[in-house]
Amino acid sequence: GAGVSQTPSNKVTEKGKYVELRCDPISGHTALYWYRQSLGQGPEFLIYFQGTGAADDSGLPNDRFFAVRPEGSVSTLKIQRTERGDSAVYLCASSPGGHTSEAFFGQGTRLTVV
Amino acid sequence: AQSVTQPDIHITVSEGASLELRCNYSYGATPYLFWYVQSPGQGLQLLLKYFSGDTLVQGIKGFEAEFKRSQSSFNLRKPSVHWSDAAEYFCAVGPRSGNTGKLIFGQGTTLQVKP
Repeated sequence: GAGVSQTPSNKVTEKGKYVELRCDPISGHTALYWYRQSLGQGPEFLIYFQGTGAADDSGLPNDRFFAVRPEGSVSTLKIQRTERGDSAVYLCASSPGGHTSEAFFGQGTRLTVV
Repeated sequence: AQSVTQPDIHITVSEGASLELRCNYSYGATPYLFWYVQSPGQGLQLLLKYFSGDTLVQGIKGFEAEFKRSQSSFNLRKPSVHWSDAAEYFCAVGPRSGNTGKLIFGQGTTLQVKP
């Protein structure tokens, strides 16, 4: 596809359940980012991958959150023991790399924990 | 602490009127500066960015922004607003080295356009 693709677009889960959110970056983009956007707020950085490795995970709120990018393309954000406070839109972005390259954002996954 | 402030949560302008959205930042050193737009159900789209050089930068859709170092500001402007400009606008800053994709966003300004 031409852009960053995120699936599912919407996810409703029960408190305490495990969820996985998927991000397909633009082909060839080596850098991948996850952000979280709560209602009425701007996006907040969660984690950054350069290739397969998590180069910066300083934004992950706690150890219930984990992300992988095993082959350097698709990434999965995993949330264990979901809480109602995890409800937000989770955004993924990718970029070609390089310190002035633009990050392209996907449409996000809206997660609702009930 | 590093932060971005967008003082106006909601702005309403008439179609054809001029627009200015304010952005102030607090950062250890001069960061990279960005403006993004988000329409309902859409991802963030980059309007413009400032890295260096001319402090007045031009972006897409007729938008421009001016970086003022002395005021730590990066205000977004458009001379004549169109109804299709109604959306949420985010100012963001990022580091010039290291993880340059680690952006700090403001809380956003919602723009409503009256016919």
